[in-house]
Amino acid sequence: QVQLQQWGAGLLKPSETLSLTCGVSGGSFSGFHWIWIRQPPGKGLEWIGEINYSGDSKYHPSLESRVIISVDTSKNEFSLRLTSVTAADTAVYYCAGGLGWLDPWGQGTRVIVSS
Amino acid sequence: EIVMTQFPASLSVSPGERATLSCRASQSVTNNLAWYQQKPGQAPRLLINGTSTRATGTPPRFSGSGSGTEFTLTISSLQSEDFAVYYCQQYNSWPRTFGGGTTVEIK
Repeated sequence: QVQLQQWGAGLLKPSETLSLTCGVSGGSFSGFHWIWIRQPPGKGLEWIGEINYSGDSKYHPSLESRVIISVDTSKNEFSLRLTSVTAADTAVYYCAGGLGWLDPWGQGTRVIVSS
Repeated sequence: EIVMTQFPASLSVSPGERATLSCRASQSVTNNLAWYQQKPGQAPRLLINGTSTRATGTPPRFSGSGSGTEFTLTISSLQSEDFAVYYCQQYNSWPRTFGGGTTVEIK
């Protein structure tokens, strides 16, 4: 079955750029949309955005000015970039695949923004 | 943006008892509603999509129902591994949104 493995820097300073990548294995890369979600400490889940195999992307309106999701079909990977981070961006970031609902999920990456 | 409201925020249940979790949407999401289970330190796991379709590996004690704006997740007989946080999520419109979660605790 499809499995996701994510990686990227976990400690950032304010104003830096968050960069995470998610690798897809074990199944069809073209058959899903690829999504990033985050979960601030002790809080619920927030949809950041998604991209399809063709590179068409959609972002949460509250983050749209700072986020880019890209896809590398040659490597079966997709990536998240979030610019100008602040403490409010501290969260566990998850990648996931799906067509509306989310399955599978990556293991999560804890990102802390602190000076 | 569709606001998803889950209630109660927490629920204390004894093993073997039934648990009923509710999710309300601020406008109709038809049947485009999913439920997830999250345990501490883990990623969420899909339980149900399409309001009532159990995902692969979801035990039959989990059932979903509802339509439009009112949805329910029922766990018929709670097992020890079911104590967790449960989230609903709509995928009828953009942006996709999640409820705030219901924590199911051991009584």
